[in-house]
Amino acid sequence: DVKVTQSSRYLVKRTGEKVFLECVQDMDHENMFWYRQDPGLGLRLIYFSYDVKMKEKGDIPEGYSVSREKKERFSLILESASTNQTSMYLCASISRSERGNGYTFGSGTRLTVV
Amino acid sequence: QQQVKQSPQSLIVQKGGISIINCAYENTAFDYFPWYQQFPGKGPALLIAIRPDVSEKKEGRFTISFNKSAKQFSLHIMDSQPGDSATYFCAASKRPGGNLIFGKGTKLSVKP
Repeated sequence: DVKVTQSSRYLVKRTGEKVFLECVQDMDHENMFWYRQDPGLGLRLIYFSYDVKMKEKGDIPEGYSVSREKKERFSLILESASTNQTSMYLCASISRSERGNGYTFGSGTRLTVV
Repeated sequence: QQQVKQSPQSLIVQKGGISIINCAYENTAFDYFPWYQQFPGKGPALLIAIRPDVSEKKEGRFTISFNKSAKQFSLHIMDSQPGDSATYFCAASKRPGGNLIFGKGTKLSVKP
């Protein structure tokens, strides 16, 4: 069963901490994405990557960075966590030659910054 | 700037009824319009998708209607079931593997 695995379901961090959210996919997908999901705001794109060591800013990149050293792994980094970054974070991947299966999402990491 | 507008925010339907969720987009470069379904505690999953060269696509009880001139598309769920209770997101992108822009979501509750 193909999947996207996010390392933590729940995470509590303190303001100012550096936070790493890890995402691994086993489908050999080229394209990977990080979204945050907030009630009433839907899913908003933070960063995406179309290849190893490649990264592009999405709609709300401020306060975040990413790393993609290997094809299967895409990490989201909160350089200095703030309370307004409390959210559900979703990682997704898709093949460059998409054949109609759509994005595969992980189950999400619910991050609380206190 | 919200590129994909979705309504309603929430919807309550009786079992057996028709659920209708509407979306409108602004960017005429969008070329792929999927709908995602999300159950609590899970990530969204692709439900059905349409390209603008067709006006309707049906898969079982789920139908997408697409109006290119109005820049609108909608999801119809026929014979709605309690198991359909979930949050539904419309989305759009310039190509199937590209960046998806999501609507804000519709929480559907189907009452027995």
